Amino acid sequence: SAVISQKPSRDICQRGTSLTIQCQVDSQVTMMFWYRQQPGQSLTLIATANQGSEATYESGFVIDKFPISRPNLTFSTLTVSNMSPEDSSIYLCSVEGPLNTGELFFGEGSRLTVL
Amino acid sequence: GDSVTQMEGPVTLSEEAFLTINCTYTATGYPSLFWYVQYPGEGLQLLLKATKADDKGSNKGFEATYRKETTSFHLEKGSVQVSDSAVYFCALSDQGAGNMLTFGGGTRLMVKP
Repeated sequence: SAVISQKPSRDICQRGTSLTIQCQVDSQVTMMFWYRQQPGQSLTLIATANQGSEATYESGFVIDKFPISRPNLTFSTLTVSNMSPEDSSIYLCSVEGPLNTGELFFGEGSRLTVL
Repeated sequence: GDSVTQMEGPVTLSEEAFLTINCTYTATGYPSLFWYVQYPGEGLQLLLKATKADDKGSNKGFEATYRKETTSFHLEKGSVQVSDSAVYFCALSDQGAGNMLTFGGGTRLMVKP
């Protein structure tokens, strides 16, 4: 299984600021995924990040609000821009598990609180 | 589109009680089914999975059987422990939908000593 490290693990942010979350994987992976888990809710896929191409965003998420970088096969960042209290969530990075199983490995998440 | 429906929580049980968390799904193709667990303050971990009809996934005393006829994947454990207290997510991955994971709403389990 892949080991996924996220930073920061938690942060408290002011309204209107932006925060970048980093995700580091201990092996090379083709696809990385960013999920959001709002308080008491399930996981919602924000976008899929492939190395060397622009991220693919799910309905309801846009690049201006959640810009993503994928500079190499082991690293990705997600920025939450111009934050509001509604952005208070856990943001989770994940990567594919064994080929064609559909399984994902998850990082421990970054818990953001926006005041 | 694909969807997963889980019983709402919280589910509160005494230690050594029997656990069932219901999960049903709709999918356009032939999905793989998963149960993930999220312990307090941690990320999601795969608990068990099943990739085809009638498969039984099992791990740590938990079991779930892929029932195509009832489109269900209910999670069971014969005797829960306090350490099983967590949020449990049922999920599916459908090759017809690009293998994206679709999650249920999650069920919080609280086990009391």
